[in-house]
Amino acid sequence: QSVLTQPPSVSGAPGQRVTISCTGSSSNIGTSYDVHWYQQLPGTAPTLLIYGNNNRPSGVPDRISGSKSGTSASLAITGLQADDEADYYCQSYDSSLSGVVFGGGTKLTVL
Amino acid sequence: QVQLVESGGGVVQPGRSQRLSCAASGYTFGGHGMYWVRQAPGKGLEWLAAIWDDGSYQYYADSVKGRFTISRDNSKSALYLQMNSLRAEDTAVYYCARARNSWTKNYLDLWGQGTLVTVSS
Repeated sequence: QSVLTQPPSVSGAPGQRVTISCTGSSSNIGTSYDVHWYQQLPGTAPTLLIYGNNNRPSGVPDRISGSKSGTSASLAITGLQADDEADYYCQSYDSSLSGVVFGGGTKLTVL
Repeated sequence: QVQLVESGGGVVQPGRSQRLSCAASGYTFGGHGMYWVRQAPGKGLEWLAAIWDDGSYQYYADSVKGRFTISRDNSKSALYLQMNSLRAEDTAVYYCARARNSWTKNYLDLWGQGTLVTVSS
C-alpha cells in the first residue's frame, strides 16, 4: 500500500486529454511538499516528467502539465499520442516517514 | 555524455551480501545528492536510500535500514549500495539516480538503466 495513491490505470483515445491523480495526506502533499512526476516507458528506466508540482524539464512538451491542490496533485496530458503509453509515478516527501515516497504508479493506455 | 551506469547485479543466495555500483560521467558528481531506488518485478518504484553530495548524511527507507548501506567516492564519481542479509523480497531492478534541490524537495533528474538483483537459492 503506497503512501501516495494513484489509480492503477487510465486510458484515452489519440488526441484526447487524460489526467492522473496522486492523493496524499497532511504529512506529505498536504504539508506543501513538492510533487514530482516520472514516466516509465516499457522496459526502460523512469525519466523525470514534472518537477516542483508544475515545472517541465527541457524537452518535455507543453501538452504535459502538473498541478497541486490541498492533499492531491494531478498530471494532465493533452493531445494524447501513442508513445505516451507508459507507467506514470508521482513522488513527494513524507515528514512522518522522514523520506521520499512514490505513488503506486498508473498505467496509461492509448486506445 | 551525462549518464549513470549501474553494475553488480546478479543471482545471490538468501542471507548473502551483494554490492552494487553506479558510475557517473559527464557532470560534476560531487555536486549532487544521489539515490538508490528499486522496482520489484511488475511492481512500482520504491525509494531505498539517499546520500548528500559530500557523503555527510545518509537516509534509508525502513524496509532496508540496518541491512543496506549507501556510500560514495567522489574522487571516482561512484555510488555504492552494500546489501546484506538479502531476502527473496529484495529481488528487483535497482536504479541509481541523481537528486536535485534540497532534501525535502528532492527530485530525480537522471537515472541509470538499472541492474537486476535476483535473490534465490
